[in-house]
Amino acid sequence: NAGVTQTPKFQVLKTGQSMTLQCAQDMNHEYMSWYRQDPGMGLRLIHYSVGAGITDQGEVPNGYNVSRSTTEDFPLRLLSAAPSQTSVYFCASSYSGWSETQYFGPGTRLLVL
Amino acid sequence: AQTVTQSQPEMSVQEAETVTLSCTYDTSESDYYLFWYKQPPSRQMILVIRQEAYKQQNATENRFSVNFQKAAKSFSLKISDSQLGDAAMYFCAYRSPMDSNYQLIWGAGTKLIIKP
Repeated sequence: NAGVTQTPKFQVLKTGQSMTLQCAQDMNHEYMSWYRQDPGMGLRLIHYSVGAGITDQGEVPNGYNVSRSTTEDFPLRLLSAAPSQTSVYFCASSYSGWSETQYFGPGTRLLVL
Repeated sequence: AQTVTQSQPEMSVQEAETVTLSCTYDTSESDYYLFWYKQPPSRQMILVIRQEAYKQQNATENRFSVNFQKAAKSFSLKISDSQLGDAAMYFCAYRSPMDSNYQLIWGAGTKLIIKP
């Protein structure tokens, strides 16, 4: 099992550009989520999905879109990048249920100039 | 709203010694899960240990153990026989059954330095 994979590992964008952060898992997990990590803070939930075709907003959804067309993939789209979106982005997955442990991808470091 | 506080931004310990990282949380719920995650320089977030609030016995995973004090809302992590590979950021996290989004609520982290 590859677990949770994320691409790219690092990306530089100019303000106003758009891009998609990729996330995939091969553990047949129903639940997937995106977090962002900023210096001196814990992770914050951006969007999540409890299954294919179902997505919802987390704590900090503004400026981001997601879709879940398959169980395996959960891409995060930045529509018009802003410097405030400079961060490290983590994708996580788990079986459904609040007691399940979430497994994290290696992260994508994004710099918006 | 639930909050998680890690009051130690940085801790250091001599190799082979024992260190304890602190975590407190605020909640009005009776059942929940608590987690410790390790983030080494590679940035990968790795689960260290987890504890369900209804279980009175403290969780243990090899050299890692927790001291869970439910009434005090405290969840500290003890690392015994510290090794150089333990150097990392450590995050305490909380999850409630009342959150339909299965969200983890995170502390700000503690940087652990291991002195050889």
